Amino acid sequence: GAVVSQHPSWVICKSGTSVKIECRSLDFQATTMFWYRQFPKQSLMLMATSNEGSKATYEQGVEKDKFLINHASLTLSTLTVTSAHPEDSSFYICSARRTQGITYEQYFGPGTRLTVT
Amino acid sequence: AQSVAQPEDQVNVAEGNPLTVKCTYSVSGNPYLFWYVQYPNRGLQFLLKYITGDNLVKGSYGFEAEFNKSQTSFHLKKPSALVSDSALYFCALIATGTASKLTFGTGTRLQVTL
Repeated sequence: GAVVSQHPSWVICKSGTSVKIECRSLDFQATTMFWYRQFPKQSLMLMATSNEGSKATYEQGVEKDKFLINHASLTLSTLTVTSAHPEDSSFYICSARRTQGITYEQYFGPGTRLTVT
Repeated sequence: AQSVAQPEDQVNVAEGNPLTVKCTYSVSGNPYLFWYVQYPNRGLQFLLKYITGDNLVKGSYGFEAEFNKSQTSFHLKKPSALVSDSALYFCALIATGTASKLTFGTGTRLQVTL
């Protein structure tokens, strides 16, 4: 149990276009989901926390208008990178916390590799 | 503010030998501590956690870690390394009162050779 999927697993887009990444909890409900960004050979940086039915909470320095997060249901959160630029190329990972469960346990998706050309 | 330090970028060990991946932390209050493993182009897999109780915690794939409050450490160990253990390992913590946000260390690459 506690499987999180991400789609797509990799995407290449042209500069100036927008890309949407989906994060789904497959066998549990997740009130809270987290979006991370990972640069090569670096740690995970928390971008934002999304709560079902409410606005996401962004970490300092993360542009909310550029990284749009929607958490419309208890099993789906989406991250849209708007007007993508090459510097947005990165590995994006989501995680989910069970609605009913221990608050500190997070389950991670497999990640999405975004390349902006 | 809380922080996690993994002082070694890479650890090299021969298969069959014991391995240790170091982690120290800084936090106000009591931490919840975690180890995750990441294989290339994959998300994170949970290995083990310390919340409370016994300082020695056992996790997946034969890994264990010891919580040492006086040294503020949570080193990851395994008695006998396997080549398949080669991956990127992250130590992380949740500080109480931070809405359960994970703070990650910078990661340590473990390379196990024959």
